[in-house]
Amino acid sequence: DTGVSQDPRHKITKRGQNVTFRCDPISEHNRLYWYRQTLGQGPEFLTYFQNEAQLEKSRLLSDRFSAERPKGSFSTLEIQRTEQGDSAMYLCASSFGSSGGSDTQYFGPGTRLTVL
Amino acid sequence: AQKVTQAQTEISVVEKEDVTLDCVYETRDTTYYLFWYKQPPSGELVFLIRRNSFDEQNEISGRYSWNFQKSTSSFNFTITASQVVDSAVYFCALSVSTGTASKLTFGTGTRLQVTL
Repeated sequence: DTGVSQDPRHKITKRGQNVTFRCDPISEHNRLYWYRQTLGQGPEFLTYFQNEAQLEKSRLLSDRFSAERPKGSFSTLEIQRTEQGDSAMYLCASSFGSSGGSDTQYFGPGTRLTVL
Repeated sequence: AQKVTQAQTEISVVEKEDVTLDCVYETRDTTYYLFWYKQPPSGELVFLIRRNSFDEQNEISGRYSWNFQKSTSSFNFTITASQVVDSAVYFCALSVSTGTASKLTFGTGTRLQVTL
């Protein structure tokens, strides 16, 4: 069974550039989550998809951030006009759930973003 | 709002010692779910366990055991006879059963260092 994969694993960019990350969830999972983790902290929720619908976005997700899951399979997270404060590990997780908050999320290896 | 506190920032033990990682949570919801994840140096979060708020039975899995006490809002994790491979950052997390999202609220993690 293939786990969650993320690409790229590392990204170094200059301030002001746009970046895009990709997440491929576990194949039978209908839910997909994005989290951000800064050094010494736990992951923080950014956004969530059920199938192709983006159902919730955190206040952490400024208008420079956009996420899509066009066919309910892989997802992309784009950051426009990157800032140094965007430097972090971006984690993707997937789960199978129908209602409530009980599903277990399985995480990918993350994309580490460094903004110079 | 939900909150998870892991007061122990870093713990160092010698191999074969037992170690307990503390987790205290806050929520007003009566139905919630508690999780532990392990984050080794490679960075990928590895799921360890999920407990439901209505099931306070403690659980043992090999060298790992978990003690869930609703009276003190705690969900502590014990590793018996620790090994060097247990060295990692361990995160406690909480999700609640409202709406459709299972977004996790994480603690700040406890770094466990096991030495020979």
